[in-house]
Amino acid sequence: NAGVTQTPKFRVLKTGQSMTLLCAQDMNHEYMYWYRQDPGMGLRLIHYSVGEGTTAKGEVPDGYNVSRLKKQNFLLGLESAAPSQTSVYFCASSYSDLRWQETQYFGPGTRLLVL
Amino acid sequence: RKEVEQDPGPFNVPEGATVAFNCTYSNSASQSFFWYRQDCRKEPKLLMSVYSSGNEDGRFTAQLNRASQYISLLIRDSKLSDSATYLCVVLMDSNYQLIWGAGTKLIIKP
Repeated sequence: NAGVTQTPKFRVLKTGQSMTLLCAQDMNHEYMYWYRQDPGMGLRLIHYSVGEGTTAKGEVPDGYNVSRLKKQNFLLGLESAAPSQTSVYFCASSYSDLRWQETQYFGPGTRLLVL
Repeated sequence: RKEVEQDPGPFNVPEGATVAFNCTYSNSASQSFFWYRQDCRKEPKLLMSVYSSGNEDGRFTAQLNRASQYISLLIRDSKLSDSATYLCVVLMDSNYQLIWGAGTKLIIKP
């Protein structure tokens, strides 16, 4: 039982390049989330999904796209990377809606540097 | 004003001491509150939920003050392994999304 995994762990991009971050969970969770964490700020929600085939915008969705083609995977795409997207990206999952006091389980993070 | 505010620290505390963190939130309708712990360059992990009546888990005590809109975390008999950043998190009633504080860094010294 690996929990939540993320690939890659670290990546350097040039401005304008694209990339996809992969998140996988083996806990059969319905809900999955992508956050970014920047120095001096709390985690901010980028996009989330409440089930296979569904996605929704979070607090800071601009410049990112997501897909949830399989229940266990949640992909985060950057179509044209910008230096402002330099951050640590965390994926998380939960069994159901957070209103029911569900625990979020986090992946180890992806450190992205955009030059 | 930030929705969830925390003193960034760092708090430098000798081993065995008691340390307390406060966190203030702006949305009075928020119903659920949590403390997460994040070790350096690691992912956040849930430390404890905060209930209206306050709750305790071993050396850790969390309290909620709705009137003043703050939550607190008390760590007694601190250990070296308690060194981490402590994140205050509030569940928004409007959209059931979590709003995260920037965290308070705690350093326990021998």
